[in-house]
Amino acid sequence: EVQLLESGGGLVQPGGSLRLSCAASGFTFSSYAMNWVRQVPGKGLEWVSAISGSGATPYFADSVKGRFSISRDNSKNTFYLQMNSLRAEDTALYYCAKARGWSLGEALNTFDIWGQGTLVTVSS
Amino acid sequence: QSALTQPASVSGSPGQSITISCTGSSSDVGGYSSVSWYQQYPGKAPKLMIYDVSQRPSGVSNRFSGSKSGNTASLTISGLQAEDEADYYCSSYTSRSTGVFGGGTRLTVL
Repeated sequence: EVQLLESGGGLVQPGGSLRLSCAASGFTFSSYAMNWVRQVPGKGLEWVSAISGSGATPYFADSVKGRFSISRDNSKNTFYLQMNSLRAEDTALYYCAKARGWSLGEALNTFDIWGQGTLVTVSS
Repeated sequence: QSALTQPASVSGSPGQSITISCTGSSSDVGGYSSVSWYQQYPGKAPKLMIYDVSQRPSGVSNRFSGSKSGNTASLTISGLQAEDEADYYCSSYTSRSTGVFGGGTRLTVL
């Protein structure tokens, strides 16, 4: 079964750091770009970051550029979102999502498999 | 990058057709064929309903269709059913090599 499982969310103070993980199973992980999408409870979706299948190329939304980094370990079928200098506005449910295809457009926009999300709360 | 513009809500009666619009710019929706639509029920993860403007993934009902004209993409649901009541989001690839979502549309089946 194709599955994504996020972990690592929690409560962190403003200015703090947190690392999210997403473990994948059921597909050839290294063949697909992977993404993070967040959602403030009751609000809309926001694309956050993506990483190419090889891990060589990261992509970021302006709202997190310079504060977040993304990486992957294809030997462990897992990718990560390192979040530094966290702000209250980063509070959200963070989903990991698999790209459906191999074009850049699909890599950053077409997500056929989603995890259930991990909640990040930034508060003092 | 600004979110794509969607109506906050639409409604329709069972059996009717509804259309949800998604307006962007030539830097996103209008410039690429990579527009997707997602359905989300409360408390659940989004589900891909349409990709590449008008393509349906396997298993998605053919009552769902997508199109695009200029900088505006549209999702049409025909033969509306109670189970279609959900939030719908469009998304697009952008010229800055990022993704961008619309603000979301709440569909109510009357």
